[in-house]
Amino acid sequence: ETGVTQSPTHLIKTRGQQVTLRCSSQSGHNTVSWYQQALGQGPQFIFQYYREEENGRGNFPPRFSGLQFPNYSSELNVNALELDDSALYLCASSFGGGAGEQYFGPGTRLTVT
Amino acid sequence: GDSVTQMEGPVTLSEEAFLTINCTYTATGYPSLFWYVQYPGEGLQLLLKATKADDKGSNKGFEATYRKETTSFHLEKGSVQVSDSAVYFCALIKWDSNYQLIWGAGTKLIIKP
Repeated sequence: ETGVTQSPTHLIKTRGQQVTLRCSSQSGHNTVSWYQQALGQGPQFIFQYYREEENGRGNFPPRFSGLQFPNYSSELNVNALELDDSALYLCASSFGGGAGEQYFGPGTRLTVT
Repeated sequence: GDSVTQMEGPVTLSEEAFLTINCTYTATGYPSLFWYVQYPGEGLQLLLKATKADDKGSNKGFEATYRKETTSFHLEKGSVQVSDSAVYFCALIKWDSNYQLIWGAGTKLIIKP
């Protein structure tokens, strides 16, 4: 059974640029949730995708957007990057719209300069 | 809104000491409660959970009891090991919020030999 994977591991972007982060869900899971974890803080919920549809969104602006593909992998896109977007981005996969246990990937460390 | 508060760290203990990490929550309805652990350089792992009042979650020697009367879910372990050094996160989830996890800020635990 393959766990949740994320790519890239690290990346550095400049303010104003756009970035795409990727997440492959665990086999058999149809739900992906994305979280932002600033240094020294707990994760904050960005949004969740269930069977290719957005299924809930946290308090993040529209420049944070996402996609889920037919194989249930997912992308997180962030436009017009700001310095405060520097964080660890975590994805978690689960089955059934998030009701099941969420399994986390190792995260992508984004630094915006 | 719903929130989770946990004791600030770092918490530094000697090996074989007794551990308590406090967690309290504010939520309407009947949340499920979780403890996650994040080892250095790794993703978040579910440590234990409880889904209703008076439930006790346990795993790897760690325990936590869901206390609705005090809105608490304190993490305990009778004898810690150096390998328990990590950051511990308390979190809650509710069915009526698309199962998004709401997190505490995390408590760093350092165990000295």
